[in-house]
Amino acid sequence: EAQVTQNPRYLITVTGKKLTVTCSQNMNHEYMSWYRQDPGLGLRQIYYSMNVEVTDKGDVPEGYKVSRKEKRNFPLILESPSPNQTSLYFCASGEGEGYEQYFGPGTRLTVT
Amino acid sequence: EDQVTQSPEALRLQEGESSSLNCSYTVSGLRGLFWYRQDPGKGPEFLFTLYSAGEEKEKERLKATLTKKESFLHITAPKPEDSATYLCAVQWDFGTSYGKLTFGQGTILTVHP
Repeated sequence: EAQVTQNPRYLITVTGKKLTVTCSQNMNHEYMSWYRQDPGLGLRQIYYSMNVEVTDKGDVPEGYKVSRKEKRNFPLILESPSPNQTSLYFCASGEGEGYEQYFGPGTRLTVT
Repeated sequence: EDQVTQSPEALRLQEGESSSLNCSYTVSGLRGLFWYRQDPGKGPEFLFTLYSAGEEKEKERLKATLTKKESFLHITAPKPEDSATYLCAVQWDFGTSYGKLTFGQGTILTVHP
């Protein structure tokens, strides 16, 4: 089954404790991206990767890092999480320039 | 500043009552405009991509159109299962980086039986 998987689905952590949210896709897509979704602010892009060699910032990259060492995986790293990073996070992948994106099920992160 | 604005924020319809959702944008160098559907607790699901003014796409009861400044998602004779949040997103070309995507805040559609 073609899908984007994220892990964990739910995470509660404390301020400053480094964490990684994994994202994997099995559709051989070049394009992958991370978003956060907050009430009243909608879906905002954090980082995107056109392919394994090109990664660039979205609208809200501060406090996040990403890594694209292989085509299928695109982990999101929070080196020192803060409460304002409490949010619902989505990973997505797409063909070519990312026109038709497939989203993962989401990761609900709470930072206390 | 490049922006994407959706209206209305919420729309309540009776089953069978057709209507339209709006997505207006102020970006230069539009590369593509996308419509997604999102059900509560789930990731967005792709519906349509539109590339140029005058283009139209259809899928079941949904029809998306695009002008130079806005897009409409027309819903004909909606059913309760069409209830969801509808998101539009814009991808634009700004130099060497064209993978950036900006979403509108969405329209929450509720269709009553």
